[in-house]
Amino acid sequence: QVQLVQSGAEVKKPGSSVKVSCQASGGTFSSYAISWVRQAPGQGLDWMGGIIPVFGTTIYAQKFQGRVTITTDESTRTTYMELSSLRFEDTAVYYCVTSDDGHSGAYPDAFDIWGQGTMVTVSS
Amino acid sequence: DIQMTQSPSTLSASVGDRVTITCRASQSITNWLAWYQQKPGKAPKLLIYKASSLKSGVPSRFSGSGSGTEFTLTISSLQPDDFATYYCQQYNTYTWTFGQGTKVEIK
Repeated sequence: QVQLVQSGAEVKKPGSSVKVSCQASGGTFSSYAISWVRQAPGQGLDWMGGIIPVFGTTIYAQKFQGRVTITTDESTRTTYMELSSLRFEDTAVYYCVTSDDGHSGAYPDAFDIWGQGTMVTVSS
Repeated sequence: DIQMTQSPSTLSASVGDRVTITCRASQSITNWLAWYQQKPGKAPKLLIYKASSLKSGVPSRFSGSGSGTEFTLTISSLQPDDFATYYCQQYNTYTWTFGQGTKVEIK
């Protein structure tokens, strides 16, 4: 079963960028379509975007389009989420997620594998 | 994007109660609906997928039903470990969306 381990907490200034990493262990890396979900304090879950390996593409939620970039480094089995032009309301826990079925994103699927979460605080 | 609406937002119940949470989609999602449980400070945990399929290891007191635009999560006999927040999620398209959550509190 694949496991996802994320980088540590970050504190950033408004207007700056943050890059969070998510390293996968177990399984074949290219078999997993990894997405990013965020959760502001006391709020619900918000899908931000994800990589679909079978199509060789990355898709983003309209809400974050233009501010978020998701990339991968297959050599290190790591996926990155970079969010730019940070605002106070971007303060949240950011999770990388995937389905353990390993179908490379051939179809949309529920997320049964979650990283431990990375707290990003935007503060002046 | 498909909007997901859960009700109620908060639910107060006692151990042993039967609990039902409803989730409505803004358009048909067939049966591409998942339910998650989240406890404070923890990542969400998948309970149910494809509207009614129980994830391996999840207690059988949890069940899901529905299709199209209306779905329910039922806990047949609420246990102390079940006090948490529950989210529905549609995965009919490559733009996943979640409901706003239902917090199940101790009455």
